[in-house]
Amino acid sequence: AQSVSQHNHHVILSEAASLELGCNYSYGGTVNLFWYVQYPGQHLQLLLKYFSGDPLVKGIKGFEAEFIKSKFSFNLRKPSVQWSDTAEYFCAVSPSNTGKLIFGQGTTLQVKP
Amino acid sequence: GAGVSQTPSNKVTEKGKYVELRCDPISGHTALYWYRQSLGQGPEFLIYFQGTGAADDSGLPNDRFFAVRPEGSVSTLKIQRTERGDSAVYLCASSYSEGAEAFFGQGTRLTVV
Repeated sequence: AQSVSQHNHHVILSEAASLELGCNYSYGGTVNLFWYVQYPGQHLQLLLKYFSGDPLVKGIKGFEAEFIKSKFSFNLRKPSVQWSDTAEYFCAVSPSNTGKLIFGQGTTLQVKP
Repeated sequence: GAGVSQTPSNKVTEKGKYVELRCDPISGHTALYWYRQSLGQGPEFLIYFQGTGAADDSGLPNDRFFAVRPEGSVSTLKIQRTERGDSAVYLCASSYSEGAEAFFGQGTRLTVV
């Protein structure tokens, strides 16, 4: 069965620290990869996505992610976090062209000012 | 334009009752998805529609759950004989086509008492 695993459940950082959130997936075929973010009190929003091409993907607000096919990983990074990045982050995969998303359990990021 | 709209935002119902949750997708979006999110978990796929037909209903947990999208726009998720374990946030998302970016609504928080 398809699954997504996020290694960090709760991360606490100080402002300006670097961030890396791990994501691994289990699926044998071609997938599209996503990171979604949910700010407090808001709906899920797309942070970035990978469909094909350059495995290093840049998203909004300075986030980026790297797809490493051999490791079935799609880790999220940001060089310097801000207090406003406090949110819950979800990694998701979608079997190619179905649109159906399989989500990880999420990582709560708390950034201290 | 307007985003994905879900009503009601909150629903409290007694065990055994029937509930309907409504989703208004973004105008022109042909694909519509339902997810369920329990506390501390990522969203779990339930069903998705391409137009009026259910393209994949493999995530529906049992036959108490049913969803329709009769005119290819608004969708209703129906839950019969609700159980306390059905308590969760039910999320709806829509996209321009299968595999395109999905836009999420705020969700309906269902509490079964």
